Amino acid sequence: GAVVSQHPSRVICKSGTSVKIECRSLDFQATTMFWYRQFPKQSLMLMATSNEGSKATYEQGVEKDKFLINHASLTLSTLTVTSAHPEDSSFYICSFSAGGGSVYNEQFFGPGTRLTVL
Amino acid sequence: DAKTTQPPSMDCAEGRAANLPCNHSTISGNEYVYWYRQIHSQGPQYIIHGLKNNETNEMASLIITEDRKSSTLILPHATLRDTAVYYCIVRVATGSARQLTFGSGTQLTVLP
Repeated sequence: GAVVSQHPSRVICKSGTSVKIECRSLDFQATTMFWYRQFPKQSLMLMATSNEGSKATYEQGVEKDKFLINHASLTLSTLTVTSAHPEDSSFYICSFSAGGGSVYNEQFFGPGTRLTVL
Repeated sequence: DAKTTQPPSMDCAEGRAANLPCNHSTISGNEYVYWYRQIHSQGPQYIIHGLKNNETNEMASLIITEDRKSSTLILPHATLRDTAVYYCIVRVATGSARQLTFGSGTQLTVLP
């Protein structure tokens, strides 16, 4: 399957600072990416859908001004958590979709980024 | 996307087959059954998918009942590394990208 990387894998920051998470697809191009977050002992929840070259679509309850998504190329998307607070501490996971002609829509997930806000 | 129901947890002895059930009684004719798993503190991993026929790949087998209202994921020889949360997801497959909706999944623990 396709390889997706995320950087950093783990970050600890102080409350009020901003954190940028990078997500790259290493061996295929995708027009659409998804950002999920996962709180401890809970399932993944979709935060936003990102299409290359256009604004992201955010799920209800996700603040677009707090979670800035940039999908500047077919292989790179970034999520910036602005003015992070302890309640933003979570596991953030990106995924690329094998869409664009594939009927099965298999998704390829990054390894995740563990964000801890002190 | 149709709702799915999975047991919250299961145990399996190492080397034995792990059979993970999923109920999707409201599945419609154009919806596929997908299985993903998530090992602790990692991103989910695609396992297998199917529409109505049984499917097998190098990781697992997927058995879908004739009425398509339930399915079973089979790991034929479970190892300790198969310990993970397994998600059964039902959704329409299209040519355009769509997000996955994750339920609670089944925590499979493979015991030595």
